[in-house]
Amino acid sequence: KQEVTQIPAALSVPEGENLVLNCSFTDSAIYNLQWFRQDPGKGLTSLLLIQSSQREQTSGRLNASLDKSSGRSTLYIAASQPGDSATYLCAVSGTDSWGKLQFGAGTQVVVTP
Amino acid sequence: DGGITQSPKYLFRKEGQNVTLSCEQNLNHDAMYWYRQDPGQGLRLIYYSQIVNDFQKGDIAEGYSVSREKKESFPLTVTSAQKNPTAFYLCASSSEGNQPQHFGDGTRLSIL
Repeated sequence: KQEVTQIPAALSVPEGENLVLNCSFTDSAIYNLQWFRQDPGKGLTSLLLIQSSQREQTSGRLNASLDKSSGRSTLYIAASQPGDSATYLCAVSGTDSWGKLQFGAGTQVVVTP
Repeated sequence: DGGITQSPKYLFRKEGQNVTLSCEQNLNHDAMYWYRQDPGQGLRLIYYSQIVNDFQKGDIAEGYSVSREKKESFPLTVTSAQKNPTAFYLCASSSEGNQPQHFGDGTRLSIL
């Protein structure tokens, strides 16, 4: 059974620093990996989706890398801002699971002014 | 604007009562999903539907039921058999499996 782990559970950085968020998964037979953002009491917003054949995906200040063989993905957020404060979750879709996502517990990020 | 609407935002259940959470989407998506989120945990899949009139159990379906009679609607019923229903419930949709999922703003269910 696929297990997804996000370490650390919480992270606090001063404004302007780069954020590095980690996600690991136990089964490398994935179809894709997604990164989401969740604000308190809200639903999830999709940030980036990386197909299993891709090594990275970029959107603005966000860059996500994928190393399928080692079961790792990293989300980089450049020049963090207080508005980046939120919980970030990663989720993987297995090759035989038809879009069913397995989520990590998330990393809660606080960016201090 | 296209999106997913969940209602109500907050819901309270009495012992022995069934309650139904609403999820409506106007994205013309075929696939819809229900997840449960507990504090400090990731989301767990309750039920999913690939197409109208079809649905499948997820990882934690016991004590829940769903229907998919219309493409845009996927209501979730939390039955009295669910002994620990207090959680944040999230509905999502996608154009098909393995495509990005779009989420509603959730319903928070509590026990009276």
